[in-house]
Amino acid sequence: DVKVTQSSRYLVKRTGEKVFLECVQDMDHENMFWYRQDPGLGLRLIYFSYDVKMKEKGDIPEGYSVSREKKERFSLILESASTNQTSMYLCASSSGGANTEAFFGQGTRLTVV
Amino acid sequence: AQTVTQSQPEMSVQEAETVTLSCTYDTSESNYYLFWYKQPPSRQMILVIRQEAYKQQNATENRFSVNFQKAAKSFSLKISDSQLGDTAMYFCAFMKHGSGNTGKLIFGQGTTLQVKP
Repeated sequence: DVKVTQSSRYLVKRTGEKVFLECVQDMDHENMFWYRQDPGLGLRLIYFSYDVKMKEKGDIPEGYSVSREKKERFSLILESASTNQTSMYLCASSSGGANTEAFFGQGTRLTVV
Repeated sequence: AQTVTQSQPEMSVQEAETVTLSCTYDTSESNYYLFWYKQPPSRQMILVIRQEAYKQQNATENRFSVNFQKAAKSFSLKISDSQLGDTAMYFCAFMKHGSGNTGKLIFGQGTTLQVKP
């Protein structure tokens, strides 16, 4: 089974903290993604990566950065957490090309207080 | 830019009955994929069904089928013989196809479906 694992299911951080959300996939996928899920807004793409050390901004990158030093790991970084970043964060991976299915992690519910 | 709209925030259905979830999208692309993903209370997002835009035949996966109307840019999901395990949030999603495809998905707002015993 393809597995995408996010390091935490629940996280509580203070305003101004630097926050790291980690994601690991075990299927040698080229593409990895970070989405943010909010009620009434669905999932919105923050950043994605199509190769090691390669990254592109998604639709809502402000306040976030990412790191992909190894193919299997994709990290989302909140440089200075703010209360409006309280949300559910979902990591996904896909092999790209003709295989279009994305596989998701179980999500991290982040609360910034 | 592509957009995906799900106009039904919540729906409910009795067990064993049939329910249809609506989705419309807007794109100028001619070649693309459409998806329905399911997110149960466990939060694990799972692919339900996929449709390639160039295929006229509607996709079917067991009790799940779609009604794909390309000209109308409509992509509804029909769940037959609903089961309690179908209770979840359902997301419609769009992906551009062809060169430069990076696998980026554009999601609708989601529809929460409750199956009642």
